[in-house]
Amino acid sequence: QVQLRESGPGLVKPSGTLSLTCAVSGGSLSNRNWWSWVRQPPGKGLEWIGEFYYNGATNYNPSLKSRVTISIDKSKNQFSLEVTSVTAADTAVYFCASRPNAPPSAGIDYWGQGTLVTVSS
Amino acid sequence: DIQMTQSPSSLSAAVGDRVTITCRASQDISNYFNWYQQKPGKAPNLLIYSVSNLQSGVPSRFSGSGSGRDFTLTIGSLQPEDFATYYCQQTYTTSRTFGQGTKVEI
Repeated sequence: QVQLRESGPGLVKPSGTLSLTCAVSGGSLSNRNWWSWVRQPPGKGLEWIGEFYYNGATNYNPSLKSRVTISIDKSKNQFSLEVTSVTAADTAVYFCASRPNAPPSAGIDYWGQGTLVTVSS
Repeated sequence: DIQMTQSPSSLSAAVGDRVTITCRASQDISNYFNWYQQKPGKAPNLLIYSVSNLQSGVPSRFSGSGSGRDFTLTIGSLQPEDFATYYCQQTYTTSRTFGQGTKVEI
């Protein structure tokens, strides 16, 4: 049973960089899974941010691609999210998540509990 | 980007009701389609993957159907624990967009 846990600052200043880490337990980042980030602004719907495959492939939401980087640290069995040049619109609960590579249509079957990041001075 | 449009945005129902939520994709997405349930303050939970496959542990009163652009989630007999927000998602493209959500209320 894969367990995911997000960590990182809960408050980021405007124009700064949001950095979050997701610790993975009960599974390995080298498994054939996509390791993902999803966010949810307060009171709003889900927004898919991007994902990272164990072989190095990445996919990003085009609307965020210029500001987002997802990376993994296999030695620590964790993966990370960076969002640069943040504004109040980036205030959200950020979820780390995972979905299997097969079938290709697979949905996200493991989620972290989410962490609220507020962008404010 | 593929846009996913859910309807209705919210609905009121009673325990025991049969509930149907629809999702339309802006283009053909074959069977690259999933449904999630989210309760307040919690992470989403995968209900159905690849249009009609029930995720392990999900009650059989949930079912999914559809193909191409139009998809449906049906709750056969609404239970108290089913009051939540439901999201659809496409995984056809490498930007895996969600619908805007459908809130199921009493």
